[in-house]
Amino acid sequence: GENVEQHPSTLSVQEGDSAVIKCTYSDSASNYFPWYKQELGKRPQLIIDIRSNVGEKKDQRIAVTLNKTAKHFSLHITETQPEDSAVYFCAATPGGYQKVTFGIGTKLQVIP
Amino acid sequence: KAGVTQTPRYLIKTRGQQVTLSCSPISGHRSVSWYQQTPGQGLQFLFEYFSETQRNKGNFPGRFSGRQFSNSRSEMNVSTLELGDSALYLCASSLETAASHEQYFGPGTRLTVT
Repeated sequence: GENVEQHPSTLSVQEGDSAVIKCTYSDSASNYFPWYKQELGKRPQLIIDIRSNVGEKKDQRIAVTLNKTAKHFSLHITETQPEDSAVYFCAATPGGYQKVTFGIGTKLQVIP
Repeated sequence: KAGVTQTPRYLIKTRGQQVTLSCSPISGHRSVSWYQQTPGQGLQFLFEYFSETQRNKGNFPGRFSGRQFSNSRSEMNVSTLELGDSALYLCASSLETAASHEQYFGPGTRLTVT
């Protein structure tokens, strides 16, 4: 089955700096890669996603890149703000989108 | 439109007992997935239902089971509870169209096994 590795497990950045979270997946059949943000005590929420036919996607301060050959995908947050502090999960879904395998999560702390 | 709801929100059970958790998806969503969330293991996939059929199953023992009703509401059952079953159980619903695969999570049920 699919295996998703995520690192780092914790990340501290100064407000205004950039943050990068990296994930690798094992199943070459995976074709949908969502990223979820979970604030403390709240439910996970989708922040951005990318499909295997796209190499990069941006949404304001957030961007995701995908390297299918290397089976790597990354989340980039620019100009970080304190409200970006949360746990971020990457995920991969093989064909059919039905079974989502999540990474272990990255706890991001943005220091004011 | 109402979000995903889960009941109960908190539950304390004793080892050996069984428990049933309920999930009501967003209206119109036919796919419901269940996850176990623990601090050390992150979000682990339990199973996914679509139109009352289990389409996918994760790597959990047979003590974990689920079902989905005709109105898309879903339940999961854990029998013979173990201490290690203590976790936050999240369900998520999805519209499952070619354009949208976003999962909308419920608030979770916090299960404590003593």
